[in-house]
Amino acid sequence: DQQVKQNSPSLSVQEGRISILNCDYTNSMFDYFLWYKKYPAEGPTFLISISSIKDKNEDGRFTVFLNKSAKHLSLHIVPSQPGDSAVYFCAASSNAGGTSYGKLTFGQGTILTVHP
Amino acid sequence: SAVISQKPSRDICQRGTSLTIQCQVDSQVTMMFWYRQQPGQSLTLIATANQGSEATYESGFVIDKFPISRPNLTFSTLTVSNMSPEDSSIYLCSVVEILGEQYFGPGTRLTVT
Repeated sequence: DQQVKQNSPSLSVQEGRISILNCDYTNSMFDYFLWYKKYPAEGPTFLISISSIKDKNEDGRFTVFLNKSAKHLSLHIVPSQPGDSAVYFCAASSNAGGTSYGKLTFGQGTILTVHP
Repeated sequence: SAVISQKPSRDICQRGTSLTIQCQVDSQVTMMFWYRQQPGQSLTLIATANQGSEATYESGFVIDKFPISRPNLTFSTLTVSNMSPEDSSIYLCSVVEILGEQYFGPGTRLTVT
């Protein structure tokens, strides 16, 4: 049972344009969502997060949108740069319940390639 | 954010042997986790490393196979016991900060032959 899904295995974008990475979830108990960037042979790098009490969070070039009714979140990168090329993972957790706090469920990842 | 280091960064081991992976954090953290990323797969939570008590394991993971120690708030170890080629993965520790953001170590790439 894949509770967090990233349905696009890959995305190719031109430098300077917008990259939109999508993520869907099925568990309505999830209340905290995170995006990570990962290069081969490195650990995931935290990018941005959003709590379920918000529908948007912005940090520099990165914006995360959350649509709770659709159980969908997206990461927008504007403008995209070649250095953004990596695998992007979305993750979710249920922080309201004590025993689940911090336990992340990850999507399968989307490979982003930004062409110069 | 916390700075996390792991040792070793990579290792090649023979089946039937065990490997202990260390995770060191530069500040005291309450919550620390161990994850695994098998080749071509996403990250999967192995267990929560509890300071001063036994780790809490996720479904599919057991203490005999993945014993974990957490002697203090800055250090933890994960042992992969009686290894088989299926254990070839990247093993990662992570910590949760006050605001809920979770940071990962650089990972340990394990290959079992």
